[in-house]
Amino acid sequence: EVQLLESGGGLVQPGGSLRLSCAASGFLFSFYAMTWVRQTPGKGLEWVSSIGGSGDSGDRTFYADSVKGRFTISRDNSKNTLYLQMNSLRAEDTAVYYCAKGRGGDHWGQGTLVTVSS
Amino acid sequence: DVVMTQSPLSLPVILGQPASISCRSSQSLVYSDGNTYLNWFHQRPGQSPRRLIYRLSNRDSGVPDRFSGSGSGTDFTLKISRVEAEDVGVYYCMQGTHWPLTFGGGTKVEIK
Repeated sequence: EVQLLESGGGLVQPGGSLRLSCAASGFLFSFYAMTWVRQTPGKGLEWVSSIGGSGDSGDRTFYADSVKGRFTISRDNSKNTLYLQMNSLRAEDTAVYYCAKGRGGDHWGQGTLVTVSS
Repeated sequence: DVVMTQSPLSLPVILGQPASISCRSSQSLVYSDGNTYLNWFHQRPGQSPRRLIYRLSNRDSGVPDRFSGSGSGTDFTLKISRVEAEDVGVYYCMQGTHWPLTFGGGTKVEIK
């Protein structure tokens, strides 16, 4: 059974940093691309970033313009874990952050809430 | 960026009746490999999104066959043949053909 478990969310001041983690199990993690998607409370879904897997564009990374230069996606295949390093956080980054398997999101985690506020 | 436009915003439905959601893209979603990377997701209140349909018309494992996806180029439809109570929530289309990936704004389905 595919499982994705995000962690690392919390309250951070504007300009601060957080690192989100997504622990994956139940599939060959290294093979698949992985994706971060966020959802502002009560609003829709916004793609944030994706990273390739050995079966799809290697370790190429892709970012939404809204986070480019501030967020970094990475993966540790030995730990079956996906990361999102978020720097220079802004109030508009406040959202629930989901990790999803593949570029197409065939499985999603439960999400972790990031609140950027002073 | 490819803009995904869903309609309607809100869809009151009667149990047992069909329902249909439209999604239009600002560019063709046909990729160079011939596939159309158009997915549909369902999100119930308080839950994570769940993918229902991938690559235009393929149902994910465990998705009831009352859900179907169709369309071509820039015009897509999700149909529910007979709505059940568990189908309430918000439905999103998403394109995976072009970077950046983009979602539609969502269609809220509720029981009339």
